[in-house]
Amino acid sequence: QQQVKQSPQSLIVQKGGISIINCAYENTAFDYFPWYQQFPGKGPALLIAIRPDVSEKKEGRFTISFNKSAKQFSLHIMDSQPGDSATYFCAASTLPASKLTFGTGTRLQVTL
Amino acid sequence: DAGVTQSPTHLIKTRGQQVTLRCSPKSGHDTVSWYQQALGQGPQFIFQYYEEEERQRGNFPDRFSGHQFPNYSSELNVNALWLGDSALYLCASSFDPDTQYFGPGTRLTVL
Repeated sequence: QQQVKQSPQSLIVQKGGISIINCAYENTAFDYFPWYQQFPGKGPALLIAIRPDVSEKKEGRFTISFNKSAKQFSLHIMDSQPGDSATYFCAASTLPASKLTFGTGTRLQVTL
Repeated sequence: DAGVTQSPTHLIKTRGQQVTLRCSPKSGHDTVSWYQQALGQGPQFIFQYYEEEERQRGNFPDRFSGHQFPNYSSELNVNALWLGDSALYLCASSFDPDTQYFGPGTRLTVL
C-alpha cells in the first residue's frame, strides 16, 4: 500500500524557472513531512521539512506548501539552476524519529 | 564532523549467500534506521535500532536482521539472498526526534 503519492515522475525546467513537485498522503497520523534530494550514486540529503502546524516553510530558494485538509504538500524550487538537477523524494512520518515513508521520486532536469 | 558512513560501497553476491552491511552513525546520533532502495524507486524502511534494540520494523521478511552495538554503529544482515534483494541499502542516523541523515549507501548486486 503506497501511502505517499508523488507527481510528476519527471520534470524538465529551464534555468531560472520554478520547479513544482506534488505529494499526497493517506495516513492522517503523519506529522512530519521532509523533502530529500538525491544525486546519482549518493544517499538522499535532507532539503527542507515541515510539520502540519504551519502551511508554508521557506528556506532560500526552496519552499514547502502544506494543505492539511487536502492531505497534500508540495515543493517549490524558485530560480531553478542546473545544479538542482537531481531526484527529489517527498516523505512522511510520525514523530518522534519514526520510519519515513517515501514517495516514488521526481527526476528533475534543469536545462540551460 | 564525519557524516553517516557505510561499508562496503559495492558488493556482489550470488543467490543463497549471506551478506553483512555496516553503518557508522553521525557523531552524537543514537538511532539507526535501514532502508532498501530499488532502482528507480523511493527508499523502503527495513528497521530501526535504538539502544541496541529493534524499535520498529517494516514489511521485510525475517531473512533481514540487524544489530546495534554499544557505540551506536549497526549491521544489516541478509540471509538466503535472492535476485530481488539487489538494491541500494541506505543507513540513516538521527538524534533529534525528527531529522534523519542518510549515508551514501551500499550497492548490493545478487547474481
